Amino acid sequence: SQQGEEDPQALSIQEGENATMNCSYKTSINNLQWYRQNSGRGLVHLILIRSNEREKHSGRLRVTLDTSKKSSSLLITASRAADTASYFCATLQTSYDKVIFGPGTSLSVIP
Amino acid sequence: ETGVTQTPRHLVMGMTNKKSLKCEQHLGHNAMYWYKQSAKKPLELMFVYNFKEQTENNSVPSRFSPECPNSSHLFLHLHTLQPEDSALYLCASSQGEGQGDYGYTFGSGTRLTVV
Repeated sequence: SQQGEEDPQALSIQEGENATMNCSYKTSINNLQWYRQNSGRGLVHLILIRSNEREKHSGRLRVTLDTSKKSSSLLITASRAADTASYFCATLQTSYDKVIFGPGTSLSVIP
Repeated sequence: ETGVTQTPRHLVMGMTNKKSLKCEQHLGHNAMYWYKQSAKKPLELMFVYNFKEQTENNSVPSRFSPECPNSSHLFLHLHTLQPEDSALYLCASSQGEGQGDYGYTFGSGTRLTVV
């Protein structure tokens, strides 16, 4: 079964607002990764957070990880139209040395 | 450019054709992957190569045949495909001994249409 699931499936916000996407997973993980994909292009790695970390920042991105709830969130602050893309979480499972991707959240930032 | 280059960007092929997708990375990564991305579905892992050796074949039909001649190059040979094989095929690479220890670097993908 699918390891990671993003929520919501689609999100539409105004430029300047913050965007929050969530990812839930089922089994124990070594790390969780967030990727961005612009339409029809490859995925771009954004942030990797390890299971012993709780929060990481990169520019306007903030990722949190709660292993007790098996969930993560990606916050994009002060969104821009260029942030319009699909965002995927991916988990490296402890018992299964493989990265599994979720179905993604489609983010639209309206100018 | 991410450091992972895929060619061609677009490919239209008939069901009886034979074609190949190419992926090249010069990042010094030791692992390379093929993923399939279909509309409305999560990325599907197809094949994994680590130091040129295939370590994963995720029950992929034999009409898809991977080849990894060295750690920098990866091919996906296609023959007698079906229309449902139409998708975006993504190549990725990573460093480290584990498959996902440091995250993946993806190419831009090949948009394949089978007619």
